[in-house]
Amino acid sequence: GENVEQHPSTLSVQEGDSAVIKCTYSDSASNYFPWYKQELGKGPQLIIDIRSNVGEKKDQRIAVTLNKTAKHFSLHITETQPEDSAVYFCAAIGNQGGKLIFGQGTELSVKP
Amino acid sequence: GAGVSQSPSNKVTEKGKDVELRCDPISGHTALYWYRQSLGQGLEFLIYFQGNSAPDKSGLPSDRFSAERTGGSVSTLTIQRTQQEDSAVYLCASRPDGGTGELFFGEGSRLTVL
Repeated sequence: GENVEQHPSTLSVQEGDSAVIKCTYSDSASNYFPWYKQELGKGPQLIIDIRSNVGEKKDQRIAVTLNKTAKHFSLHITETQPEDSAVYFCAAIGNQGGKLIFGQGTELSVKP
Repeated sequence: GAGVSQSPSNKVTEKGKDVELRCDPISGHTALYWYRQSLGQGLEFLIYFQGNSAPDKSGLPSDRFSAERTGGSVSTLTIQRTQQEDSAVYLCASRPDGGTGELFFGEGSRLTVL
């Protein structure tokens, strides 16, 4: 079955700096890769996703890149702000849907 | 609008007792997931329901865990003979249909087993 590894587990940056979180997946049939943000005491919320027919996707300060050959994908946050502080999860799923497997999470701390 | 609703939000029980956790998905959503999040850990897949298909139970950690989804809507996760290692936040999520796309999560049920 699918296995998703996520690094780093914690990340601390200064406000205004960039943050990068990386994930690898094991199932070459996976073709949908979402990223979720979880704030304290809340359920995770989707922030951006990418499908395997695309190499990069941007939404304002957030971008995701996908390398299908290497089976890894990354989240990039530019011009970080204190409100970006949260736990971020990557995930992967095959095109038949079904089981969505999450990485272990990255706790991002943005220091003012 | 109404999101995914989970109850209870907090549950404290004694080791060996049974517990039931409830999830009300967004109306009309056919896909429903349960995940477990232990303290400081990731999201561990438990079970997935899609429409009238047989559920994917491959993530249930033991036969003490079971889940039902009645009428394609409300779901109940039952843990029998609870153990201390069952202490975690249990998250439910729903999606409009099968396939891929955004999951909408509830705020979770925090279970503490003494």
